[in-house]
Amino acid sequence: GENVEQHPSTLSVQEGDSAVIKCTYSDSASNYFPWYKQELGKGPQLIIDIRSNVGEKKDQRIAVTLNKTAKHFSLHITETQPEDSAVYFCAAGRFSGGSYIPTFGRGTSLIVHP
Amino acid sequence: EPEVTQTPSHQVTQMGQEVILRCVPISNHLYFYWYRQILGQKVEFLVSFYNNEISEKSEIFDDQFSVERPDGSNFTLKIRSTKLEDSAMYFCASSGLTGDGYTFGSGTRLTVV
Repeated sequence: GENVEQHPSTLSVQEGDSAVIKCTYSDSASNYFPWYKQELGKGPQLIIDIRSNVGEKKDQRIAVTLNKTAKHFSLHITETQPEDSAVYFCAAGRFSGGSYIPTFGRGTSLIVHP
Repeated sequence: EPEVTQTPSHQVTQMGQEVILRCVPISNHLYFYWYRQILGQKVEFLVSFYNNEISEKSEIFDDQFSVERPDGSNFTLKIRSTKLEDSAMYFCASSGLTGDGYTFGSGTRLTVV
């Protein structure tokens, strides 16, 4: 099965700095890589995703890159704000029909200091 | 924005008791999922459900677990004879026919004492 490793487990930055979270995956058949933000007491919320036919995707201050050869993908947050503080999870998996069952990383606790 | 709704938000139960966790998926979604997150750990897949039957399940989803879609709107997870190690956050999720709109609920915190 798929195995997803995520680093770092904790990331502390000053407001305005950039934050980078990295993940690796093991199954070369994985074709969809979402990133989730989880705030305290809430469920994971999709913030950005990338499919295996794309190398990079950007949405305002958030970008994701994918290196299929090396089987790693990264989340980049620029101009961080205190409200970006949360736990971020990467995930990897395959779409089978319409069903998608992601394997999650262990999460990165991002702390943005004002 | 459409939401996946889960009830209750917190459930405390005695070891050995049965619990039913409830979810109302997004109305036009066709795939339904349950996940578990033990405190401080990663989110783990339990089961997926499509066309009124289980389509995939993990090793965690053993005989003490069952799922049901009793009507057109609810999707439930039943845990028979709960154990202390069943204490976790349980998340429901749903998605459309092509996997679009994959959305998680806010979770039910289950505490087994």
